[in-house]
Amino acid sequence: EDQVTQSPEALRLQEGESSSLNCSYTVSGLRGLFWYRQDPGKGPEFLFTLYSAGEEKEKERLKATLTKKESFLHITAPKPEDSATYLCAVRTNSGNTPLVFGKGTRLSVIA
Amino acid sequence: EAGVAQSPRYKIIEKRQSVAFWCNPISGHATLYWYQQILGQGPKLLIQFQNNGVVDDSQLPKDRFSAERLKGVDSTLKIQPAKLEDSAVYLCASSGGGRETQYFGPGTRLLVL
Repeated sequence: EDQVTQSPEALRLQEGESSSLNCSYTVSGLRGLFWYRQDPGKGPEFLFTLYSAGEEKEKERLKATLTKKESFLHITAPKPEDSATYLCAVRTNSGNTPLVFGKGTRLSVIA
Repeated sequence: EAGVAQSPRYKIIEKRQSVAFWCNPISGHATLYWYQQILGQGPKLLIQFQNNGVVDDSQLPKDRFSAERLKGVDSTLKIQPAKLEDSAVYLCASSGGGRETQYFGPGTRLLVL
């Protein structure tokens, strides 16, 4: 069974304190790994897609990386507006499989 | 480009009542998804449409949930009768244009009392 595990469940950072969120996955064959941001009361907002080990994507203070077993979302010098839940999801190679989501990491950045 | 639209945004009902949610995907997106997100969890797929055909409904509780996408554009998801455990956010997403990325709507927050 395909599984996605995100850690930590919650993370509290001071403004400017860089850190990383982890997404480990167990799938039969990875077709793509997706990162989303979700603000309270809103739907998930697409951030990145990663397809192969070694791939990296960047957007402002966020950088996503991928290995054969996990992905990291690095947050450099975060600001309070980066506070949100970050969701990781995978899609496998097996036909029309759905996205399988992790439970997310709740990030709070304190000024 | 307009995003995925959903209505209503909030709904409160009594158990055993029925409820319906509406979704209008991004223009031109052939694939439409309905997800259920329980508090503290990631979204879980309920049903996936490709145009007006069902691709995957393996996790849809078919004894009480139904969904349709008659003209291959907008879609409705219905629950009848609702149970307490159906309290959740119901998210609609769409993808298309040769890309796999799914774009989500704001969701409908359902509370069953």
